[in-house]
Amino acid sequence: AQKITQTQPGMFVQEKEAVTLDCTYDTSDPSYGLFWYKQPSSGEMIFLIYQGSYDQQNATEGRYSLNFQKARKSANLVISASQLGDSAMYFCAMREGWNRDDKIIFGKGTRLHILP
Amino acid sequence: DTGVSQDPRHKITKRGQNVTFRCDPISEHNRLYWYRQTLGQGPEFLTYFQNEAQLEKSRLLSDRFSAERPKGSFSTLEIQRTEQGDSAMYLCASSLADREANEQFFGPGTRLTVL
Repeated sequence: AQKITQTQPGMFVQEKEAVTLDCTYDTSDPSYGLFWYKQPSSGEMIFLIYQGSYDQQNATEGRYSLNFQKARKSANLVISASQLGDSAMYFCAMREGWNRDDKIIFGKGTRLHILP
Repeated sequence: DTGVSQDPRHKITKRGQNVTFRCDPISEHNRLYWYRQTLGQGPEFLTYFQNEAQLEKSRLLSDRFSAERPKGSFSTLEIQRTEQGDSAMYLCASSLADREANEQFFGPGTRLTVL
C-alpha cells in the first residue's frame, strides 16, 4: 500500500488565487513527521514546511500552511496568494517513528501550474 | 553558497561502465542521505550515513551500488556495471538531527543517463 498518496497529478491555478494540494498518508505509528517539498524545473528539492504528529496547531511558514487532519490522515498544503514562481512539482513526504534519522518516504507529487 | 553540492550535475555513460558521484553536505550536518528519482516519481531512499557510519541501506541498493563517507564529510556513490535502468536523478541530502523536524536539505542532484 502507498504510504503517501497525492491524488492530483497536475493542477492549473490562476495567479493570486489560493491553492490546496492534497496529501493523505498511511501509518500505524503514533509518532511521525510530515513534510512538503517543492521541486522546480531546476531539479533541486526545496523544503517548505513540517508538521509533527503531536503538534496541536497547523504548521505555517509564510504563504505556506499545512492543513493537518490527523483523524483523516490528511496533510494538505495550502499556498495563499499564488505567484508565478510557485509553478513546480510539490511532494508530500513522511518520516515514521521516533527516530529522527529515519528516511523520508515521498509521494508521487503534484505538478502545479500558475497561470498569469 | 553553503548548501549541499553534488558533482557532476550530469553524467552520460555507456552500459557496463562504472560511475561515481560526489556529494558535499552542509558543513555542520552529520547526517547524509542518498535518494534516487526516476521520471514522474518522488525520490526513493537508497542509503544514509551518520558521520562516517552507513546506518541503513534500501533493498533498492543492489550489490552494484556502493556508498562511502570516509571522513564523515563528503560522500561518494559508485555504480558498477551500469544498466539502462540505472538512468535517474541521484539526489543527496543532509540534516542536523538536533532539530525536531530534522528536515533534510537537498542538493541539485546528478542526472545519470545510461546509453
